[in-house]
Amino acid sequence: NAGVMQNPRHLVRRRGQEARLRCSPMKGHSHVYWYRQLPEEGLKFMVYLQKENIIDESGMPKERFSAEFPKEGPSILRIQQVVRGDSAAYFCASSPTGYGNTEAFFGQGTRLTVV
Amino acid sequence: DQQVKQNSPSLSVQEGRISILNCDYTNSMFDYFLWYKKYPAEGPTFLISISSIKDKNEDGRFTVFLNKSAKHLSLHIVPSQPGDSAVYFCAAAGRRGGSNYKLTFGKGTLLTVNP
Repeated sequence: NAGVMQNPRHLVRRRGQEARLRCSPMKGHSHVYWYRQLPEEGLKFMVYLQKENIIDESGMPKERFSAEFPKEGPSILRIQQVVRGDSAAYFCASSPTGYGNTEAFFGQGTRLTVV
Repeated sequence: DQQVKQNSPSLSVQEGRISILNCDYTNSMFDYFLWYKKYPAEGPTFLISISSIKDKNEDGRFTVFLNKSAKHLSLHIVPSQPGDSAVYFCAAAGRRGGSNYKLTFGKGTLLTVNP
């Protein structure tokens, strides 16, 4: 039973390019959460998705960032026109229900470096 | 503004002794608290949690204490082992507000357990 899978593990992008981060939740999990960890900071909530629905995107920057969780396939966090300040570790978590934070399992993260 | 604060960036203890990690919070809407452990290049792993209706929760070597009046919680690890060396994150959620899925993290404390 594989855990939460994120890919790529490391991603380097030049300023202005697009970054696509993928998250495959654990089997049987239909709730996905994205968090961002800036250097020397704690994780910060970005967005909560269920299959085909965005439930809460209050932590996501209004511009350049978008997320989806299609009926088939992984959840995608997309960052357009990346800037240096987007360099961070992006973590995805999944849970079988939307309640009870202890049920959320984190992936290993994608480390985005913008050069 | 930091709603969850871990004021000690690092802590070093001897194997077999007690490790005490501290966490303070400012948001009185938080009613559920969690501790996560994180190794380098991995995602956070859930350790232990406590609801605001309790003041103590124990799981093996790990005990979390909650002092609601002081808005303070602590994680005790007894006895400490070298494998406990990791970054420990305190996190909080406000379940009454219906956003129990949204965790607010502290910046973390790096625990080093020396053999």
